[in-house]
Amino acid sequence: SQQGEEDPQALSIQEGENATMNCSYKTSINNLQWYRQNSGRGLVHLILIRSNEREKHSGRLRVTLDTSKKSSSLLITASRAADTASYFCATGPSGNTPLVFGKGTRLSVIA
Amino acid sequence: EAGVTQFPSHSVIEKGQTVTLRCDPISGHDNLYWYRRVMGKEIKFLLHFVKESKQDESGMPNNRFLAERTGGTYSTLKVQPAELEDSGVYFCASSRLAGGTGTDTQYFGPGTRLTVL
Repeated sequence: SQQGEEDPQALSIQEGENATMNCSYKTSINNLQWYRQNSGRGLVHLILIRSNEREKHSGRLRVTLDTSKKSSSLLITASRAADTASYFCATGPSGNTPLVFGKGTRLSVIA
Repeated sequence: EAGVTQFPSHSVIEKGQTVTLRCDPISGHDNLYWYRRVMGKEIKFLLHFVKESKQDESGMPNNRFLAERTGGTYSTLKVQPAELEDSGVYFCASSRLAGGTGTDTQYFGPGTRLTVL
């Protein structure tokens, strides 16, 4: 069954604005990872947050995790046209197990 | 450090033909995963190797799919015979082996876009 589910499915914003994407999941996790996919290219790892962490930052990215609500959010601040891509959350039930992906959020940043 | 590489980047074949996809993981990564994204749907897990052993193949859709990882290095995924519904993007990912309850990032290759006509 599908685990991660992103919301919204599509998001269009102006350059310079912040973009927030949410992810909900159903079962217990060891970690949650966010990936980006530019059109026609591979998945680029953005950030990993472990189940015992609540917030992580990486450059313009901020990820939060609320295990009580089984949800995570990805915030991209001061967006750029180059941030245009699909963003996926993926959950890992335990250390080495496969990731379970959602359908992704398609972000369009308009210059 | 070289990333995960996949070959070919694109493959167009006819129904009934055979196709073999290759994945070279990051050197030293014992975990190797295959995933697939069919048009408009989510990325789904196919198979997990730890070194040369199949750890989990619960995602393999049927016996037309055969994966190998000889010597625990690169891996191949063969589809024989290919069907229309096999079209999609096949991703390979690798990671270091995490101990206990630890975890490690899975790094993805660029994917192979397979089109079955």
